[in-house]
Amino acid sequence: GENVEQHPSTLSVQEGDSAVIKCTYSDSASNYFPWYKQELGKGPQLIIDIRSNVGEKKDQRIAVTLNKTAKHFSLHITETQPEDSAVYFCAPFDGNSGYSTLTFGKGTMLLVSP
Amino acid sequence: DSGVTQTPKHLITATGQRVTLRCSPRSGDLSVYWYQQSLDQGLQFLIQYYNGEERAKGNILERFSAQQFPDLHSELNLSSLELGDSALYFCASMRGLNTGELFFGEGSRLTVL
Repeated sequence: GENVEQHPSTLSVQEGDSAVIKCTYSDSASNYFPWYKQELGKGPQLIIDIRSNVGEKKDQRIAVTLNKTAKHFSLHITETQPEDSAVYFCAPFDGNSGYSTLTFGKGTMLLVSP
Repeated sequence: DSGVTQTPKHLITATGQRVTLRCSPRSGDLSVYWYQQSLDQGLQFLIQYYNGEERAKGNILERFSAQQFPDLHSELNLSSLELGDSALYFCASMRGLNTGELFFGEGSRLTVL
C-alpha cells in the first residue's frame, strides 16, 4: 500500500506569513494529489487538488506543487489568516486502480496567530 | 454541507457492547469509505465499498464489520467494544471508484466507558 508522510506535524506562523506543508508518497502510480482541511469538530474538506499531468495549481491564496520524480507534493498558503488554522491532510492515490486504501498522511496542524 | 449524512452524531456505550453507525452518501455517489480518527491521530482507513461491493480493506479489526446496501447507504458495526475503540468515525463518499474528491460526513463520536 501507499506510504504517506507529511511534514511538519505542527506549523505556527504569524498572520500574513506564508506556510508550506510537504507530502511524500511511495507509490509511483499515484496520479491524484489532494489536500484536505479539517476544522475543529468537522469532517475534512477538499481545498485543492492536482493531477499528475500538471505541475502546479493555484486558487487564490492556496497552491499545490507536484514533483513526480521525487514523489512529493506541497501545499502553499500565502498571506495566512487566523481562519486558516486547522489540520491539513494529504491523500495521494492511483485513480486508475480499482483498489485503493486511500491512505491519508498523519496531518499537519497549522496555527496562525493574529 | 457535504451532502453526506452520518448518524448518530454522538454515542456513549459500555465495554462489551455493540453499536451500528450509519452513513448516507451524497446523492449519486457510488463509493463509501469508513475512517477512524482517534485523539491526536490521523485518519485510519477502515474499509471501502463501491456499488454494494467491498473493494478495499485497511487495518479493520475482526470485531468490526460493514456493508453497503442496495440504496447505497452503509453501516459500520462495532462489536465487543473496548475502551480503545473510542474515536471519531467518519464516512466519506466519492462519485465513482477512485475518481477524485472525497466528501466527508460530520462524523460519529463514539465513547466507550
